Amino acid sequence: DVKVTQSSRYLVKRTGEKVFLECVQDMDHENMFWYRQDPGLGLRLIYFSYDVKMKEKGDIPEGYSVSREKKERFSLILESASTNQTSMYLCASSPGGGGQPQHFGDGTRLSIL
Amino acid sequence: AQSVTQPDIHITVSEGASLELRCNYSYGATPYLFWYVQSPGQGLQLLLKYFSGDTLVQGIKGFEAEFKRSQSSFNLRKPSVHWSDAAEYFCAVAMGKLTFGTGTRLQVTL
Repeated sequence: DVKVTQSSRYLVKRTGEKVFLECVQDMDHENMFWYRQDPGLGLRLIYFSYDVKMKEKGDIPEGYSVSREKKERFSLILESASTNQTSMYLCASSPGGGGQPQHFGDGTRLSIL
Repeated sequence: AQSVTQPDIHITVSEGASLELRCNYSYGATPYLFWYVQSPGQGLQLLLKYFSGDTLVQGIKGFEAEFKRSQSSFNLRKPSVHWSDAAEYFCAVAMGKLTFGTGTRLQVTL
């Protein structure tokens, strides 16, 4: 089974802090994704990556950046956390090629105080 | 741009009753279609997927979905719901990136 592991289930940070959310997958997938999930809005794509050191903006990249130095690891960075970034963050991975299903981690519930 | 609509925010069914969750998509061509389920505090788990071919697809946990091109729909069904099916269900379409609906929360009464 594909395993996507997010480093923290719950995280509390303060406004203005730099926050790192880590995600690791163990299936040698080319593609990795970061979403945020908010009630009534579903999942919204923040950033994705199709290869090492490669990144693409999703639908809501403002206030976020990402890093993919190794194939199995995809990090989401909140440069200066704000209260409107309080949310559930989900990482996913998928094999290369079109239309492949994504496999999700259990999520990180991030609270910014 | 592709979009996905799940018109029902919340549905309540009795255990043992049948279930249908609606999903409509907007896209010029036939996209790849998926249903995911999310239990409280968990990530999303893939229930089933449609790429091409037979329009009725079977998934895990006794779920099935039917693709209807004429209606741009991909509704999820289960003949007899179990209490453990209570969760949030997301329809998604992929044509390049994956776009999710806003979800339907299923409550099951005993």
